[in-house]
Amino acid sequence: QKEVEQDPGPLSVPEGAIVSLNCTYSNSAFQYFMWYRQYSRKGPELLMYTYSSGNKEDGRFTAQVDKSSKYISLFIRDSQPSDSATYLCAMKSSTGANSKLTFGKGITLSVRP
Amino acid sequence: DARVTQTPRHKVTEMGQEVTMRCQPILGHNTVFWYRQTMMQGLELLAYFRNRAPLDDSGMPKDRFSAEMPDATLATLKIQPSEPRDSAVYFCASGLGAVGQETQYFGPGTRLLVL
Repeated sequence: QKEVEQDPGPLSVPEGAIVSLNCTYSNSAFQYFMWYRQYSRKGPELLMYTYSSGNKEDGRFTAQVDKSSKYISLFIRDSQPSDSATYLCAMKSSTGANSKLTFGKGITLSVRP
Repeated sequence: DARVTQTPRHKVTEMGQEVTMRCQPILGHNTVFWYRQTMMQGLELLAYFRNRAPLDDSGMPKDRFSAEMPDATLATLKIQPSEPRDSAVYFCASGLGAVGQETQYFGPGTRLLVL
């Protein structure tokens, strides 16, 4: 079992839909949780960053962490065709220079106009 | 607009040849990461450096891969000899590596195909 599991997808939704993307993890030491967005033939870019359990909202995006269930989610409201990309969850156990990220494999989202 | 740059963007080579990939981190960033991305395995960390010193290269096949930072503006990843299973997209990322400054900024990647 990999440390971080992510739904494989792909996922296709109509414009305006609410999208829910999820990851589960097995390492209880993970405390820092991130979502990266990767457009086709580009490098990943940081979308959301959260520490420990709880919710964080940024515009149409909400990141949710449930450490008791070892489960994180990214919600996209009013999805747009420009949201079509691969979304990767990432997490790590400590902060600072000597910590490294563990990524999920990513899920490809397509938002149909 | 500060960006991580990588060269070459694409590389096609034959099995057994040496491949060298280069990365220029964002000026002022002291942490550099090398990742490999495939459909099967996703994004895997190969090695990372802080202040040009290697911190962790446990994700890298030691017999054929090597990573260095000759200076603060250049990181290199070499594969010698290359094999078809090395075909992947290789990303370099850089960051400040400080508490509260966790973001890693990724380059556009080098697409490697080993025939």
